[in-house]
Amino acid sequence: AQSVTQPDIHITVSEGASLELRCNYSYGATPYLFWYVQSPGQGLQLLLKYFSGDTLVQGIKGFEAEFKRSQSSFNLRKPSVHWSDAAEYFCAVGPGWYGGSQGNLIFGKGTKLSVKP
Amino acid sequence: DAGVIQSPRHEVTEMGQEVTLRCKPISGHNSLFWYRQTMMRGLELLIYFNNNVPIDDSGMPEDRFSAKMPNASFSTLKIQPSEPRDSAVYFCASSFSVESKPDSNEKLFFGSGTQLSVL
Repeated sequence: AQSVTQPDIHITVSEGASLELRCNYSYGATPYLFWYVQSPGQGLQLLLKYFSGDTLVQGIKGFEAEFKRSQSSFNLRKPSVHWSDAAEYFCAVGPGWYGGSQGNLIFGKGTKLSVKP
Repeated sequence: DAGVIQSPRHEVTEMGQEVTLRCKPISGHNSLFWYRQTMMRGLELLIYFNNNVPIDDSGMPEDRFSAKMPNASFSTLKIQPSEPRDSAVYFCASSFSVESKPDSNEKLFFGSGTQLSVL
């Protein structure tokens, strides 16, 4: 079955420290992979996505993610966390093109990030 | 651009009542998605439309749920009758996809959601 696992429910880091959020997926074909961020009371915003090519993907707000096929992982990283990064982060996988769109995604349950001053 | 607009932001209703959630996608977008978010199950895709046509409704939990997209600028998600287990945040999202370019830079834009509480 297709699934996305985010093993960490809640992570707390100090401002300025590095961050890595884990994501593992189970998918029958080459997946399209995404990271989204959700601030309280808001919808989700796309941080970055991987379709093909370079396995290290750069996104907005200084985030990057690395696709590792052998580990079925797509971990999100940031070298120095800012207080404004506190939010919930969702990893998602999709089949790519299906039914006219790439937006039919399977989401992980999210990792809540808290930032200590 | 105003983004994806959902209404109402909050809805409190009693079990058995009909609930209608509304969504206005971003102008020019041709795909629309309804997602539901709960603590237990996370984010789940309920249904999505492409060019106003329902493509995949396999995520719709029961016959009590129905969705329509009468035109490119409006969609509704209806629950009739509502039950307490339907309590969740319902998100609408839209995107623009070009069929001739499947690897194009399609991007989902989410609304702020409707917080539904069924008592």
